[in-house]
Amino acid sequence: SAVISQKPSRDICQRGTSLTIQCQVDSQVTMMFWYRQQPGQSLTLIATANQGSEATYESGFVIDKFPISRPNLTFSTLTVSNMSPEDSSIYLCSVEARDRHNYGYTFGSGTRLTVV
Amino acid sequence: GIQVEQSPPDLILQEGANSTLRCNFSDSVNNLQWFHQNPWGQLINLFYIPSGTKQNGRLSATTVATERYSLLYISSSQTTDSGVYFCAVGYSSASKIIFGSGTRLSIRP
Repeated sequence: SAVISQKPSRDICQRGTSLTIQCQVDSQVTMMFWYRQQPGQSLTLIATANQGSEATYESGFVIDKFPISRPNLTFSTLTVSNMSPEDSSIYLCSVEARDRHNYGYTFGSGTRLTVV
Repeated sequence: GIQVEQSPPDLILQEGANSTLRCNFSDSVNNLQWFHQNPWGQLINLFYIPSGTKQNGRLSATTVATERYSLLYISSSQTTDSGVYFCAVGYSSASKIIFGSGTRLSIRP
C-alpha cells in the first residue's frame, strides 16, 4: 500500500502566524484528503484535494483559513492560516490506496500543532 | 449526512481479556474500515470490511451491512492493544470516509 511522508511532525507556533504542512506519497494518487483531530476527538475531514483543480471543502472549513495546494499526483500541502489556540490539533493527510492484495485508506504520521 | 456511532466510548480491561467493539452506521455504505490509533497518534489500518468477516491474528471483524453495524473483536488483549479504535465509512459515489467517535481501549498489565 501507499507510504505517506508528512512533515513537520510537530510544531509550536505563535498566534497570528501560518504553518504549511506537506505530504508526499510514494505513488501517484488521484485524491488526497486532509483531516483535523482536535484534542481527545475523532478525525474530521477538512477537504479533498484533486490534482489540477481547487480543493473541495467540508462544511465549516474555508479556503481562506485552510488553503490547499495539489501541484502533482504525489504531493499536497495544507496551510493553517492566521492561527489561534483553537487551531491546536493533529493534522493528517490520507490517500485511498489499492494494490493487488489490499485496499484501504492510508494516513500520514500526522502533524501535532500547538498554537500559543 | 451519514451518522457513525461507536460503543463503548471507553473500555478498561486486564491483559488477557477479550473485547468486542461496535460500530453502527445510519445509511448504506460502500466502504468500512477499522483503524487503531496508537498512543503516538499513528493511525494503523486494521481491516477493510464493507461486509463479511475477516481475521488477522488475535483480531477479527464482522460487518452486517444489511443491519448497518460492524464489530471488532480483540482476543487475549495485550498492553500494546491500548489506544483508540475508530471505524470509518464511505458512502455514495464520493471517495471520502467519515469517522466514528472512537472507542478508547486501555489494557492493564
